[in-house]
Amino acid sequence: GAVVSQHPSWVICKSGTSVKIECRSLDFQATTMFWYRQFPKQSLMLMATSNEGSKATYEQGVEKDKFLINHASLTLSTLTVTSAHPEDSSFYICSAFRSGRADTQYFGPGTRLTVL
Amino acid sequence: AQTVTQSQPEMSVQEAETVTLSCTYDTSESNYYLFWYKQPPSRQMILVIRQEAYKQQNATENRFSVNFQKAAKSFSLKISDSQLGDTAMYFCAFMKQPASNYQLIWGAGTKLIIKP
Repeated sequence: GAVVSQHPSWVICKSGTSVKIECRSLDFQATTMFWYRQFPKQSLMLMATSNEGSKATYEQGVEKDKFLINHASLTLSTLTVTSAHPEDSSFYICSAFRSGRADTQYFGPGTRLTVL
Repeated sequence: AQTVTQSQPEMSVQEAETVTLSCTYDTSESNYYLFWYKQPPSRQMILVIRQEAYKQQNATENRFSVNFQKAAKSFSLKISDSQLGDTAMYFCAFMKQPASNYQLIWGAGTKLIIKP
C-alpha cells in the first residue's frame, strides 16, 4: 500500500509555455500533499504544502504565481509551472501524507522538467 | 527550529559488509518521528524505516535497523549484509508529533556505494 504516482515522468517544453504535473495517491486519501524541488546532488527543497480544498502554503522565496498548486480532491494535486524559463529546469517531486497509525510521507517517482 | 545533520557525505563498502550511516538532530520537542529514506539512481524516494520517539525499542526492517539514542539525539541506520541494490542516497528526516503541517526536516544526505 501507500503508492503515489506522478505524471509525466519527464517533460521538455519551450520557454514561455506552461507545464502541468500531476500527483496522485493511488491507494489512500491524502488531505495534505507536498511539492519539492531537488537540485543535483542535493537534498529536497520544500516548495509548498498543498491541502485539499484550500489554498496551498508556499515556502519563502517560492513564487506562488509561477508555481500554481491545486489540490482538488483527496487523491490529486497538480503543480503548474507557468511561463517556464530555463532556470525552472529541475527535478520536481511530490509526496502525499498518510495519517493514522503511521504518519508518513510517501513519494511519487518525480518529474524531470527541461525548459529550452 | 529543528535541524538534521548527516556528517558523512559519501561512504563505500564491499558487498555483504555491514555499514552504519550517522544522523543527528536538534529539537526541543519531546514527541516526534524520525525517518530514513533511500533515493536510488532512479530518484524514486523510498521509505526505509521509521521510528517514533516515544518508543524505546529500535525499529528494524529486514536488513535495516536503527540505533535511536534520544538523549544524544542520534538516529543511525545500520545496513547488514549490504547488497548492490543498496547503492543510493540516504536521507534522514524529522517530523514533529503531532505535526501541525506534517512537514519533514531533511538532512543533506549520505551517498552510499556498495562495491561488488
